[in-house]
Amino acid sequence: DAKTTQPPSMDCAEGRAANLPCNHSTISGNEYVYWYRQIHSQGPQYIIHGLKNNETNEMASLIITEDRKSSTLILPHATLRDTAVYYCIVRVDYSGNTPLVFGKGTRLSVIA
Amino acid sequence: DSGVTQTPKHLITATGQRVTLRCSPRSGDLSVYWYQQSLDQGLQFLIQYYNGEERAKGNILERFSAQQFPDLHSELNLSSLELGDSALYFCASSSSAGNYREQYFGPGTRLTVT
Repeated sequence: DAKTTQPPSMDCAEGRAANLPCNHSTISGNEYVYWYRQIHSQGPQYIIHGLKNNETNEMASLIITEDRKSSTLILPHATLRDTAVYYCIVRVDYSGNTPLVFGKGTRLSVIA
Repeated sequence: DSGVTQTPKHLITATGQRVTLRCSPRSGDLSVYWYQQSLDQGLQFLIQYYNGEERAKGNILERFSAQQFPDLHSELNLSSLELGDSALYFCASSSSAGNYREQYFGPGTRLTVT
């Protein structure tokens, strides 16, 4: 699986969009970009994933650059409950049944 | 609530002892994963079972073992415990059907070795 690079921490004002970047310059053509988050020692929670097209769900949007070497997770209206560690993970995953390799992630603090 | 349950929530034991952590996956999920989260190592994959068979192995120590039973629940056995085994242990499950690509994590078991 390709390696990812994320900033160790970010702050965001409540109600504003939180944009979390991830670099994955060695990504292969068949690797997906996944985002998970972990709120204070709870189990990690799936947010979104994508291959090359931008994706949106009820939690977030995922923007992947055309060369797929980087991506941005967007939380459109951050709330205090979005304070968490966000993990960007790149992996080959044809069946959804492969382990996740977590890096250090980005600690997002949403400030009132 | 992810639908994955883990017991116990907390476990305090002494060095040299053996413990068993239990995980019940979401209904119908065939894959179960175990992860360890310690302060210095972060979240690390330990082992995966799929429908009763070991599927993948990560950084799991020889003192640790796991199994998945016919009813799909899984147990992680940790023996000859050391202080460094103190960590949060998470279980996750995933489905092999359709386009389900996310893993659902349980609330974890916090193990403290004294």
